[in-house]
Amino acid sequence: NAGVTQTPKFQVLKTGQSMTLQCAQDMNHEYMSWYRQDPGMGLRLIHYSVGAGITDQGEVPNGYNVSRSTTEDFPLRLLSAAPSQTSVYFCASSYDSQPLNSPLHFGNGTRLTVT
Amino acid sequence: AQSVTQLGSHVSVSEGALVLLRCNYSSSVPPYLFWYVQYPNQGLQLLLKYTSAATLVKGINGFEAEFKKSETSFHLTKPSAHMSDAAEYFCAVSGLSNYQLIWGAGTKLIIKP
Repeated sequence: NAGVTQTPKFQVLKTGQSMTLQCAQDMNHEYMSWYRQDPGMGLRLIHYSVGAGITDQGEVPNGYNVSRSTTEDFPLRLLSAAPSQTSVYFCASSYDSQPLNSPLHFGNGTRLTVT
Repeated sequence: AQSVTQLGSHVSVSEGALVLLRCNYSSSVPPYLFWYVQYPNQGLQLLLKYTSAATLVKGINGFEAEFKKSETSFHLTKPSAHMSDAAEYFCAVSGLSNYQLIWGAGTKLIIKP
């Protein structure tokens, strides 16, 4: 029972490089989302999806792209990394399309450093 | 606008003592309120949630929280702290969109032996 799997666990990028953070869930959840966690700021929503083919922006979407071609996968793309994107990134999913109605299940996070 | 304030970035209590973690919220609509816990090097997991039913909500691991509309608070308590409760605790409120939660900055709970 894998739950929400994020890869990689750690990544170091140089400014301007691009990369994709992977997120997969095996629970057939409708809702998937990406958060960034910065010290003293809690979690901020980057993008979310309520089903395959449907994505929308959260609070801090600039510099990030997402797609949802399958129910299971929700990758996050950094187009041109900047030091301000240094953070811990969490993927979260929930059974209900609205996270108010069923618990969010989180992955273990990806720690990204941009130099 | 929706917002959450957690008072105290760090709270230290002795093992066996009362745990009280404070959360105040601002919401322009009747809120859903949540407490999530994050153990070291893990993702967050739900402790409990309030959805306008009973104002006293019981969660996992002996935690509970009371919704007080007049005080716009949703403080988390546990009568007797265990070493295993050491973690970071996040309070969250429903956003104006049903697809978003607004999160507090977190409170790190330290348990002294």
